[in-house]
Amino acid sequence: AQSVTQLGSHVSVSEGALVLLRCNYSSSVPPYLFWYVQYPNQGLQLLLKYTTGATLVKGINGFEAEFKKSETSFHLTKPSAHMSDAAEYFCAVRTNQGGKLIFGQGTELSVKP
Amino acid sequence: DSGVTQTPKHLITATGQRVTLRCSPRSGDLSVYWYQQSLDQGLQFLIQYYNGEERAKGNILERFSAQQFPDLHSELNLSSLELGDSALYFCASSASVGGGPNEQFFGPGTRLTVL
Repeated sequence: AQSVTQLGSHVSVSEGALVLLRCNYSSSVPPYLFWYVQYPNQGLQLLLKYTTGATLVKGINGFEAEFKKSETSFHLTKPSAHMSDAAEYFCAVRTNQGGKLIFGQGTELSVKP
Repeated sequence: DSGVTQTPKHLITATGQRVTLRCSPRSGDLSVYWYQQSLDQGLQFLIQYYNGEERAKGNILERFSAQQFPDLHSELNLSSLELGDSALYFCASSASVGGGPNEQFFGPGTRLTVL
């Protein structure tokens, strides 16, 4: 069975600071990994995904994530936070064995001016 | 805009009642997924349909049911509603039937409040 753990339900950074949102997964088969963002009162939007190949994945809005199999991690980073990045971020896993996404509990990112 | 539409946006009802949530997938997508987002349970998969047939079930209560129609829109029916059913219900669509790297596109959600 697959599972996702997001460390830290709330993360606060200053504008211009590094953003690091942590995600660890558990999967007995090769996973596909996703980061979604949810702005207030909106649906989920895909930021980036890892399938196969290059372990450093670049997404929209300057975000990127690195797949580390040895650490079973897929942490999301952005070099410089912007006020518009304030939102909730979800890490999710899926495998070839099923179409459903399994989500972590989410991390709410606050950006201070 | 993901291309997935959900109606209504908000729904307020009383305990014991029945409601229907509607979802139209992106043009060309045959798979529809329903998810529930609540404060205590987070985002949980409920059920998946592909081209009119049920493909997978998750943590869906027996009081809940869904179907996908020939035009590919889907409806989630919630009956004998309880206070704990208050949540945000998302629909997502995908081109593929099963797993793999294909993205799921999410609708804006229906916020259900049970009083």
